[in-house]
Amino acid sequence: DAGITQSPRYKITETGRQVTLMCHQTWSHSYMFWYRQDLGHGLRLIYYSAAADITDKGEVPDGYVVSRSKTENFPLTLESATRSQTSVYFCASTGTGGKDTEAFFGQGTRLTVV
Amino acid sequence: SQQGEEDPQALSIQEGENATMNCSYKTSINNLQWYRQNSGRGLVHLILIRSNEREKHSGRLRVTLDTSKKSSSLLITASRAADTASYFCATKDSSYKLIFGSGTRLLVRP
Repeated sequence: DAGITQSPRYKITETGRQVTLMCHQTWSHSYMFWYRQDLGHGLRLIYYSAAADITDKGEVPDGYVVSRSKTENFPLTLESATRSQTSVYFCASTGTGGKDTEAFFGQGTRLTVV
Repeated sequence: SQQGEEDPQALSIQEGENATMNCSYKTSINNLQWYRQNSGRGLVHLILIRSNEREKHSGRLRVTLDTSKKSSSLLITASRAADTASYFCATKDSSYKLIFGSGTRLLVRP
């Protein structure tokens, strides 16, 4: 299906475990983003990527790792999950039409760290 | 801290009334965008206004931008129950980062 998809939709993991959230888009968009959404904080940018093999930190990158070996995939890894990383995570992408392009969002992954 | 701060945090109005949400930001921007999020869903783009524009319309939406005050407003006219959602402003700077505000929760009562 065309679009941007995240998996899994729901995940429960234990403190200290490594967990990877997946994001896949079918448009060949250049830019991809990872956000976390917590009550009272809106969406905060974790990492973003301008193209394959180009990534950069956002507002709250600590504790997270990203990679982008292929344009269509942008996985987010929590190397050692902590309870403070319990959140809803959203992936987004934007096209190559310059800065004046809208972002398309996935449906989100609700992660609970116990 | 976040680039955009929105006001009010929550808004409750009667169907048919207008809803106005405000967004303030801190740094220079290339454009400002508004998004809507229905409960439990991803965000959906509503409208984009460039830094050299002052006002833009799209259906029942009207967006204004005042770069001297670093602020924007979103007006939804003749609101409907289906407009109940959270609304977020987001700013894009020269680095292509898209930074979101904390959002306004809108409740439209039937």
